[in-house]
Amino acid sequence: GNSVTQMEGPVTLSEEAFLTINCTYTATGYPSLFWYVQYPGEGLQLLLKATKADDKGSNKGFEATYRKETTSFHLEKGSVQVSDSAVYFCALSALGYQKVTFGTGTKLQVIP
Amino acid sequence: DAGVIQSPRHEVTEMGQEVTLRCKPISGHNSLFWYRQTMMRGLELLIYFNNNVPIDDSGMPEDRFSAKMPNASFSTLKIQPSEPRDSAVYFCASRGAREGPNEQFFGPGTRLTVL
Repeated sequence: GNSVTQMEGPVTLSEEAFLTINCTYTATGYPSLFWYVQYPGEGLQLLLKATKADDKGSNKGFEATYRKETTSFHLEKGSVQVSDSAVYFCALSALGYQKVTFGTGTKLQVIP
Repeated sequence: DAGVIQSPRHEVTEMGQEVTLRCKPISGHNSLFWYRQTMMRGLELLIYFNNNVPIDDSGMPEDRFSAKMPNASFSTLKIQPSEPRDSAVYFCASRGAREGPNEQFFGPGTRLTVL
């Protein structure tokens, strides 16, 4: 079946530090890949997505590249801000399926 | 666009009581999803509907849980009787046929506490 594995949190960084949150997946075929973000007290919001190998999704300074050879979709940001503090979820959806498989989430805390 | 609307935002009830959670999807969206989020189990898909028809309810934990979607603009998730282990945040999400690949829009959630 489909599954997503992402690094355990929490991750604590100082403002302006570089961020990487690792995500690897297992799926049949060619899934679409997503990063969602959940701010405290809110629902999940789509942050970025990629639909095929070597695609790079980007939004709000965050980037992730769909790496089929390593089945990975790591999230990166060059300089984090306090406002980036949230829980980040890696997710996938197999072609033709409505369901989205989510990872367990990684909590990011950015301190001033 | 008002986004996905859920009510109530917070619910505190006693064990054994019936609980009904409500969701209004984004207008024009034809798929609706109910999730449960807990610290222990993370985010779990309970059930989803397509064009008001339940497609997959394999995530519904047991017969105490039921979900309905009587029309395209309203869905309910009912727990009867409720138990303390049902305490969680319940999210509703919707998706339109013309959205990007499986992009789902989440509501703000209902935080349920069963005492």
